[in-house]
Amino acid sequence: DIQMTQSPSSLSASVGDRVTITCRASQGISNYLAWFQQKPGKAPKSLIYAASRLQSGVPSKFSGSGSGTDFTLTISSLQPEDFATYYCQQYNSYPHTFGQGTKLEIK
Amino acid sequence: QVQLQQSGPGLVKPSQTLSLTCAISGDSVSSNNAAWNWIRQSPSRGLEWLGRTYYRSKWYDDYAVSVKSRITINPDTSKNQFSLQLNSVTPEDTAVYYCVREFYGDYGEVRFDPWGQGTLVTVSS
Repeated sequence: DIQMTQSPSSLSASVGDRVTITCRASQGISNYLAWFQQKPGKAPKSLIYAASRLQSGVPSKFSGSGSGTDFTLTISSLQPEDFATYYCQQYNSYPHTFGQGTKLEIK
Repeated sequence: QVQLQQSGPGLVKPSQTLSLTCAISGDSVSSNNAAWNWIRQSPSRGLEWLGRTYYRSKWYDDYAVSVKSRITINPDTSKNQFSLQLNSVTPEDTAVYYCVREFYGDYGEVRFDPWGQGTLVTVSS
């Protein structure tokens, strides 16, 4: 199985900050990577697919990049509603696997 | 707008069968552009893909090795829904279970959206 490792596991930031979350795959996955946002008690919400493509309805403050094994999710100008847990997922091969999550907290 | 609505019991006894259903609106379980997944989430295992069913002239399914001997995902075309059955459950199967559409766009891009609302299933006597 492909292992997905996110860093950091948690991150404290202030409203208005720009943050970057990293996801590394244990082997190359081309651009078959998605990012999700999850708030407490809710289902994950799709943000990014194909590493860099924005899901319909998701604000452009979210952006993704990378290919192969190294990927990033950047969130600009943090707002209170952005504080949540973020997950990456590879879908290059089965089983699809997820990172362990990055919890973004208000400083 | 596609929506997925989950139903099923929240408490299952050890050794029994966990059964959940995911009703689809705004799309078809028989779509040639989609696959229908079950994913679970627990503090100990994180997000874990369990399996999927999809139709490409005939029905196919794929399952995670970790549950392959115990799992069945079935489509129900008459009700436009799909189901999850997990046999011989133990407390380790306690988790929030989600159904998720895997959508294939016109240019081959894949999106995992939407997700069902989630069902907390507790395995306990």
